[in-house]
Amino acid sequence: DGGITQSPKYLFRKEGQNVTLSCEQNLNHDAMYWYRQDPGQGLRLIYYSQIVNDFQKGDIAEGYSVSREKKESFPLTVTSAQKNPTAFYLCASSIRVWRTGKKLNTEAFFGQGTRLTVV
Amino acid sequence: AQSVSQHNHHVILSEAASLELGCNYSYGGTVNLFWYVQYPGQHLQLLLKYFSGDPLVKGIKGFEAEFIKSKFSFNLRKPSVQWSDTAEYFCAVNAEAPGRRALTFGSGTRLQVQP
Repeated sequence: DGGITQSPKYLFRKEGQNVTLSCEQNLNHDAMYWYRQDPGQGLRLIYYSQIVNDFQKGDIAEGYSVSREKKESFPLTVTSAQKNPTAFYLCASSIRVWRTGKKLNTEAFFGQGTRLTVV
Repeated sequence: AQSVSQHNHHVILSEAASLELGCNYSYGGTVNLFWYVQYPGQHLQLLLKYFSGDPLVKGIKGFEAEFIKSKFSFNLRKPSVQWSDTAEYFCAVNAEAPGRRALTFGSGTRLQVQP
């Protein structure tokens, strides 16, 4: 089955510790994304990557880091610098297609999410 | 910068009532528009999308949305809701703007359908 796998589903972290959330996709998608979901705030973009070895900051990148060494993997590290890390984290991917002379992102496919709680 | 507004944060309807959820975006160029749904305990799923062509798009489970370019809107509709439509609904925009290559989401609308 093709899809996006996020692990773990639940994660507890002590204050001051870094933690890495895993995201793997076998859809052969070029682009991958990390979003954070908080009640009443929708999904906010943390980082995104259009191709391997390249990534861009989203709207709330502070306190987070990513890497994109392989097409199928886009891990997110929540560092101790993130002031309010308790949240639901969603990974997504999308394919890019040529349309009207430009390469465009199609719809994003989402993983099941990781709920991170800082204790 | 692009932004998406969903004005209804929490909607409560009775079964068989009609639904319309508002979505407005702020970007003057070419946009791709999406509605996603998140059922309790499940991952985000695509309901429908608009890229070009007919501004009235039909999605899964009887949902449809209309793109009105002059109003920067992409409202979601369903003529008759069911209890199983209880979920959170997110509007999203992908504007092909320089430096921005990712979906921007609205804050979501929680729909509660009472039997």
